[in-house]
Amino acid sequence: QKEVEQDPGPLSVPEGAIVSLNCTYSNSAFQYFMWYRQYSRKGPELLMYTYSSGNKEDGRFTAQVDKSSKYISLFIRDSQPSDSATYLCAMSAGGNTPLVFGKGTRLSVIA
Amino acid sequence: SQTIHQWPATLVQPVGSPLSLECTVEGTSNPNLYWYRQAAGRGLQLLFYSVGIGQISSEVPQNLSASRPQDRQFILSSKKLLLSDSGFYLCAWSAGWEQYFGPGTRLTVT
Repeated sequence: QKEVEQDPGPLSVPEGAIVSLNCTYSNSAFQYFMWYRQYSRKGPELLMYTYSSGNKEDGRFTAQVDKSSKYISLFIRDSQPSDSATYLCAMSAGGNTPLVFGKGTRLSVIA
Repeated sequence: SQTIHQWPATLVQPVGSPLSLECTVEGTSNPNLYWYRQAAGRGLQLLFYSVGIGQISSEVPQNLSASRPQDRQFILSSKKLLLSDSGFYLCAWSAGWEQYFGPGTRLTVT
């Protein structure tokens, strides 16, 4: 079983739709959870991060962590064509341990 | 504010030639530094990370090496490139648990 699993998509939605992106993980030591957005031919940019379980909201984006199920989600409300990108989840047990990344989900928002 | 630079942005090199990619970070001290490779259709592969000058951890045995000659400088090298070294190389830094990525170098080995 891979440490972090993420459906690669591609996921295609109409403009204005609610998008749900998900990752599952197997390492119960993970405490820090991040979502990155990567546009084509660019470096990933940190979109949201959460510590331990719970929700975090930032504008149209909501990150959820359910540690009991080892499941994290990113919701995008009122999706826009500019949201079209690859979204990568990442997580860490903390300290100097490197992040473990999912393989990314490619999202297309169609106008 | 912190910024991270990578160069060159793109590179085309023949098989067997040497490689040197450079990454520098501004606006922070003693960052952790990372080199990743992202091949087409594959995820981010961690190649090396460093928690301080001269301290390099290798995640994947291969014909690449890394060095950290200064606190905010990280260099990825190869003596002889292989076709399989083609990909998108990303440098990243962290001061806590969040990582921030550079713009990347697209390497094509021909």
